[in-house]
Amino acid sequence: AQKITQTQPGMFVQEKEAVTLDCTYDTSDPSYGLFWYKQPSSGEMIFLIYQGSYDQQNATEGRYSLNFQKARKSANLVISASQLGDSAMYFCAMREGSNFGNEKLTFGTGTRLTIIP
Amino acid sequence: DAGVTQSPTHLIKTRGQQVTLRCSPKSGHDTVSWYQQALGQGPQFIFQYYEEEERQRGNFPDRFSGHQYPNYSSELNVNALLLGDSALYLCASSSTGRRTDTQYFGPGTRLTVL
Repeated sequence: AQKITQTQPGMFVQEKEAVTLDCTYDTSDPSYGLFWYKQPSSGEMIFLIYQGSYDQQNATEGRYSLNFQKARKSANLVISASQLGDSAMYFCAMREGSNFGNEKLTFGTGTRLTIIP
Repeated sequence: DAGVTQSPTHLIKTRGQQVTLRCSPKSGHDTVSWYQQALGQGPQFIFQYYEEEERQRGNFPDRFSGHQYPNYSSELNVNALLLGDSALYLCASSSTGRRTDTQYFGPGTRLTVL
């Protein structure tokens, strides 16, 4: 079974609209972390936001928020007021286990987001 | 605060050759992980180095090897290159000592094997 599933290969969104990128995960480990990264065409993976499995509140970072639904094992990324510069590939990733800094990341297949002027 | 740096940016090799990619971690980080990203896919974990030792390894053959130096910088070596090794190779750094839970990535090295 896939550990990280991103079901939207591509999305087109009008500038200034909000957009939700879907991510579901599969793990039996009670301690895990969920990450979203942005990858522009240049190739660099840019960290956006993090949610720990024990965090009570949904994570927010500026225009990014993570809609964490633990029982449904989903961790959707919400981008408010989208901008042209948001056009990129977006990857959801998971760290399993509690050894912070010591665990590999497992990535999904990504969603290509295109913002339309 | 310098981020993660990688060199070279691009590399072209032929089948059977050997290649070395280099990575310098973000300031204050002591752990380096390497990932391979084939075209149109998400990154796949190769291995992780901490205290100059390989700590974890993904499902990659022994042709992939690495090293970490006392200053925490790292190298990825690939021997006997195959066409299928063509990919973007990403280095990520994190801090085991500080128990930070985020890996920061470098710009990557794009390897083409002809």
